[in-house]
Amino acid sequence: QVQLQQSGSGLLKPSQALSLTCAISGDSVSSNSAAWNWIRQSPSRGLEWLGRTYFRSKWQNDYAVSMKGRITIKPDTSKNQFSLQLTSVTLDDTAVYYCSRDFGWGMDVWGKGTPVIVSS
Amino acid sequence: DIQMTQSPSTLSASVGDRVTITCRASQSINNWLAWYQQKPGKAPKFLIYRASILQSGVPSRFSGSGSGTEFTLTISNLQPDDFATYYCQQFYSYYTFGQGTKVEIK
Repeated sequence: QVQLQQSGSGLLKPSQALSLTCAISGDSVSSNSAAWNWIRQSPSRGLEWLGRTYFRSKWQNDYAVSMKGRITIKPDTSKNQFSLQLTSVTLDDTAVYYCSRDFGWGMDVWGKGTPVIVSS
Repeated sequence: DIQMTQSPSTLSASVGDRVTITCRASQSINNWLAWYQQKPGKAPKFLIYRASILQSGVPSRFSGSGSGTEFTLTISNLQPDDFATYYCQQFYSYYTFGQGTKVEIK
């Protein structure tokens, strides 16, 4: 059974960097068929896809246009996990952050979610 | 970006009812659509993919249909466990979610 275990900082001040990790069990971050995503959810924005990393002969990343310039998603094959870094956070980045797996047609496995609060 | 619009935002229903949720895409997405169920404090649960294919383990009272720009999720014989918020998501061009439809007890 595939599980995703999230960890990372939950309380930040504006301008700080958000860093979250999603540890994978039961699958491999290097899978040739899966993609590994970060999504966030807030009352104001709803569910918002942030980006993904996946391996197809080489590592690839895609990011939401709204996130470009601030976001980095990286795989860590030695620990079978992937991470999210979001720089220069603002109050608007307050949300519950989820990691997930997808095969191109649906996100079938999700982490439990990490509440992130940005407050001065 | 492809925009996804769900209707209604809230739906009041009783156990045993048949309910239908609509999801519209701002452009054709063929059948690259998924549906999720979310309960408070939990991650979304994957229900349907490619617009009409039930994920393994999902009860058969859930069904999906549609293609192009208009899609529906139908729950027949609504059960107490089905009161939740439902989201559609397009997979045609990256990923976009609808704003959600809350199914509440009448």
